[in-house]
Amino acid sequence: QKEVEQDPGPLSVPEGAIVSLNCTYSNSAFQYFMWYRQYSRKGPELLMYTYSSGNKEDGRFTAQVDKSSKYISLFIRDSQPSDSATYLCAMRANSGNTPLVFGKGTRLSVIA
Amino acid sequence: DSGVTQTPKHLITATGQRVTLRCSPRSGDLSVYWYQQSLDQGLQFLIQYYNGEERAKGNILERFSAQQFPDLHSELNLSSLELGDSALYFCASSPAGTPRYNEQFFGPGTRLTVL
Repeated sequence: QKEVEQDPGPLSVPEGAIVSLNCTYSNSAFQYFMWYRQYSRKGPELLMYTYSSGNKEDGRFTAQVDKSSKYISLFIRDSQPSDSATYLCAMRANSGNTPLVFGKGTRLSVIA
Repeated sequence: DSGVTQTPKHLITATGQRVTLRCSPRSGDLSVYWYQQSLDQGLQFLIQYYNGEERAKGNILERFSAQQFPDLHSELNLSSLELGDSALYFCASSPAGTPRYNEQFFGPGTRLTVL
């Protein structure tokens, strides 16, 4: 079992839809959870960053972490064509210099 | 623009050759990370440097090496290249101190093609 699992998609939604992107993980030591957005031929860009369980909101984006289920989500409200990109979840443990572990990414297309 | 720069943008070379990828971190960031991204493996952590010293090592092949210089720029050296080394190579940097240590800012990447 991979440490981080993410459905690769592609996911296609109409403009204005609510998008739900998810990752599951197996390592209970993960404490920090991030979402990155990667446009084609660009480097990943940090969108959201949460510590431990709970919700965090930033504009149209909401990140949720459920450590009991080892499940994290990113919701995008009122999705726009400019949200079309690959979304990568990433996480790391809270000890020493443990590296970020990334999911493989979900490709999202928002159709106008 | 993340503030992290990488050169070159594209590199085409032959099997058995050696190449050097260069990265300049954001101003003030002490940590530099190198990642390899391929379609089948996703984004894989290779190695981290902090203020000139190696901090963490991931799935980095023995044919690959890196260093961070006193001005904090970093180089990733790939030698005896194989077809399977063709990938995007990203550099990222992060500020010092927890929790900002977790905020990694990625460069635009170097696309390596080995023929």
